[in-house]
Amino acid sequence: DTGVSQDPRHKITKRGQNVTFRCDPISEHNRLYWYRQTLGQGPEFLTYFQNEAQLEKSRLLSDRFSAERPKGSFSTLEIQRTEQGDSAMYLCASSLGPQETQYFGPGTRLLVL
Amino acid sequence: GEDVEQSLFLSVREGDSSVINCTYTDSSSTYLYWYKQEPGAGLQLLTYIFSNMDMKQDQRLTVLLNKKDKHLSLRIADTQTGDSAIYFCAESSAGTYKYIFGTGTRLKVLA
Repeated sequence: DTGVSQDPRHKITKRGQNVTFRCDPISEHNRLYWYRQTLGQGPEFLTYFQNEAQLEKSRLLSDRFSAERPKGSFSTLEIQRTEQGDSAMYLCASSLGPQETQYFGPGTRLLVL
Repeated sequence: GEDVEQSLFLSVREGDSSVINCTYTDSSSTYLYWYKQEPGAGLQLLTYIFSNMDMKQDQRLTVLLNKKDKHLSLRIADTQTGDSAIYFCAESSAGTYKYIFGTGTRLKVLA
């Protein structure tokens, strides 16, 4: 399977704990996007990378959130000191280039108790 | 600002056509997309249309774009129970090409 993969698929954590999610894009896709989807809503943009450079961050991405793409391949999204409001599906997408279609992974569903 | 709107629910009988509507605000969007999401799953790309096109057909799917009214629609012919899902339209924001999604339309197909 050469699609976008995300790990873990599900994560349950207690408030105040740190969590990290991983996204592996489609090979040779140089753009990687993170979105967040809460129940009953469409996905909302969080941040994106062109190769290893993080080029834009949404104001939704508070200081507790950090994303990296160290070698321009996989990416990680870390949430520190999780809050119940962080409970959501975190979706990763990749594209071959800026104007190319984004292909989405299966998502990581986070539940903060 | 950028905003994409969709009606929340649509119910049709199996074999009928479904039409899902979407309005968007960013006139500089170059591409507009339709994605399908089944329960607990990620987004599956269905089709897309370039902003200088009026219509695109792909098997059972027909996309119509009225650029003047910033209105996009997705028609599914011969709707099947397997088409039951949430359908999102999205516009590609000029410059960053991040996607702006609508809230999704939940399609229920009755047997």
